[in-house]
Amino acid sequence: GAGVSQSPSNKVTEKGKDVELRCDPISGHTALYWYRQSLGQGLEFLIYFQGNSAPDKSGLPSDRFSAERTGGSVSTLTIQRTQQEDSAVYLCASSGGGAQSFNEQFFGPGTRLTVL
Amino acid sequence: QKEVEQDPGPLSVPEGAIVSLNCTYSNSAFQYFMWYRQYSRKGPELLMYTYSSGNKEDGRFTAQVDKSSKYISLFIRDSQPSDSATYLCATKAAGNKLTFGGGTRVLVKP
Repeated sequence: GAGVSQSPSNKVTEKGKDVELRCDPISGHTALYWYRQSLGQGLEFLIYFQGNSAPDKSGLPSDRFSAERTGGSVSTLTIQRTQQEDSAVYLCASSGGGAQSFNEQFFGPGTRLTVL
Repeated sequence: QKEVEQDPGPLSVPEGAIVSLNCTYSNSAFQYFMWYRQYSRKGPELLMYTYSSGNKEDGRFTAQVDKSSKYISLFIRDSQPSDSATYLCATKAAGNKLTFGGGTRVLVKP
């Protein structure tokens, strides 16, 4: 079946511009996550959506970052007034989010953002 | 100090050798321990996970967790060139948020 998809795969923007990154999770997955991976670094948690609950925004680095999830499916990560330090790969993951104690997160291929 | 520390490598080994990877962590609340493999320009994929301390084996891969020393390991036996990738350890407590190490780049030379 289809995995997690993200668009665009690459985005080059100028400093100060706003960007929107999109994530389509696996159908039926109730949990959705955004991570950021800077060059040569591990993944940094940004935000987590679980069903209709309020999202866990504890990883967002500044108020320039926001995310929404419409209809419990597709999610958009928005970065306003981009800065050069925002350049990274932004990865989305989804999981079943059910009652199991371990829910495997399935990752998309990421969006590579370059801020000039 | 990062919650999960991992040597960035690169780690270069000849084909057929054993690859030994490890991470240390600081948060005693972590209960699940995972290893992900990430190929260049791809998203990470889960290799193995373990709950609490102990060993887990899956084919050529063995994961070990020692909670007393907060140390987790991954061993790859009979390494193949196709194992060349970045390996990320990850941990989580009771919730769903993962905390990752920085990743170790592995190169298996034919």
